[in-house]
Amino acid sequence: NAGVMQNPRHLVRRRGQEARLRCSPMKGHSHVYWYRQLPEEGLKFMVYLQKENIIDESGMPKERFSAEFPKEGPSILRIQQVVRGDSAAYFCASSPRTGTGTDTQYFGPGTRLTVL
Amino acid sequence: GESVGLHLPTLSVQEGDNSIINCAYSNSASDYFIWYKQESGKGPQFIIDIRSNMDKRQGQRVTVLLNKTVKHLSLQIAATQPGDSAVYFCAENSGGSNYKLTFGKGTLLTVNP
Repeated sequence: NAGVMQNPRHLVRRRGQEARLRCSPMKGHSHVYWYRQLPEEGLKFMVYLQKENIIDESGMPKERFSAEFPKEGPSILRIQQVVRGDSAAYFCASSPRTGTGTDTQYFGPGTRLTVL
Repeated sequence: GESVGLHLPTLSVQEGDNSIINCAYSNSASDYFIWYKQESGKGPQFIIDIRSNMDKRQGQRVTVLLNKTVKHLSLQIAATQPGDSAVYFCAENSGGSNYKLTFGKGTLLTVNP
């Protein structure tokens, strides 16, 4: 059973370019979460999505960042006009939704974004 | 604001010893707690979780203890092995959220052979 898959694993962008990070949830999981991790810090919640719906994007910067989880295909975290402060590890997690409280989130290997 | 924090940023133990990693949380409304292990260059790996209606839960070589009175969480690793060396994070479901996790900063566990 494949786990959460993320690609690319490493991404280098110059300031002003766009970064697209992809996440395929575990089989059978319909809920996706994105987190950002700065060096030597814990993960910070960014956004929670279900298929074709953004449920909570309260942790995402209001500008330049967007996320989607289409009916078909992976979830995409998009960062436009990247700046050096966007350099971080971006992790995706997925869970089933059992409706009985908080579901365990399983994380992918992350995408390490470096902005030059 | 509400936060999850760790008492010790680093912990060094001898192989075979037991390890205890501590975590304090401040949001009394949180009712679900998880420990993750993160090795260098990898994503967080689920270790064990506990809900607030329990005060202890055991897994394979790991035990999580929850003390709601003092808002304290701990992870005990028995017979620590070199492969246990990693950063360990505690996380809580922020104020009882059923999806948003708040992570602590992490404790680096180093196991000396």
